[in-house]
Amino acid sequence: GAGVSQSPRYKVAKRGQDVALRCDPISGHVSLFWYQQALGQGPEFLTYFQNEAQLDKSGLPSDRFFAERPEGSVSTLKIQRTQQEDSAVYLCASSLATGTGVYNEQFFGPGTRLTVL
Amino acid sequence: GIQVEQSPPDLILQEGANSTLRCNFSDSVNNLQWFHQNPWGQLINLFYIPSGTKQNGRLSATTVATERYSLLYISSSQTTDSGVYFCAVERKDGGATNKLIFGTGTLLAVQP
Repeated sequence: GAGVSQSPRYKVAKRGQDVALRCDPISGHVSLFWYQQALGQGPEFLTYFQNEAQLDKSGLPSDRFFAERPEGSVSTLKIQRTQQEDSAVYLCASSLATGTGVYNEQFFGPGTRLTVL
Repeated sequence: GIQVEQSPPDLILQEGANSTLRCNFSDSVNNLQWFHQNPWGQLINLFYIPSGTKQNGRLSATTVATERYSLLYISSSQTTDSGVYFCAVERKDGGATNKLIFGTGTLLAVQP
């Protein structure tokens, strides 16, 4: 596709519900990132995939958060038993390659705004 | 971890004015990107600029990696330039993950 796409754009969940957020990266991009952006803050790193391998999940705030990218393309971020503090915008980004250099430039999707009531 | 600070935190301009936004970072970096987050929340890539100077229309950016800062220049500002400007860096020796660490942002409002 032309850019990174995410769905749904908005999600309202009742506390305790499970949610799944989808990311379609730019076609051919090896690297995929998930970030969380709280209101009035900059995005913060959650997890990183290189193809289908999850190489870094150091930013996931709890074991209720789980991400996968089984075929090295589309990724899903799942949050179990949602809590009010999970309310945020979840951003997905992709880049063409790894290592250093211009192919590392990250491109972001429009985000999913999650509201937990 | 690496600290990324932006200044000013907010800025109000009249249409047509020029401005300079600054990003200071506390460690060596492999990657530095400037983004504009529009009022709908989309992060728009402005520059990939770990060092040197680049220009794109009314915008230009300079990164002095040895002194650990980057500047974003906006000339002849337009109302569509309004939004939040983020600087984000990837720390050198940050391991296999090319994760970005975002600054605190500059909120820009351009008035007609």
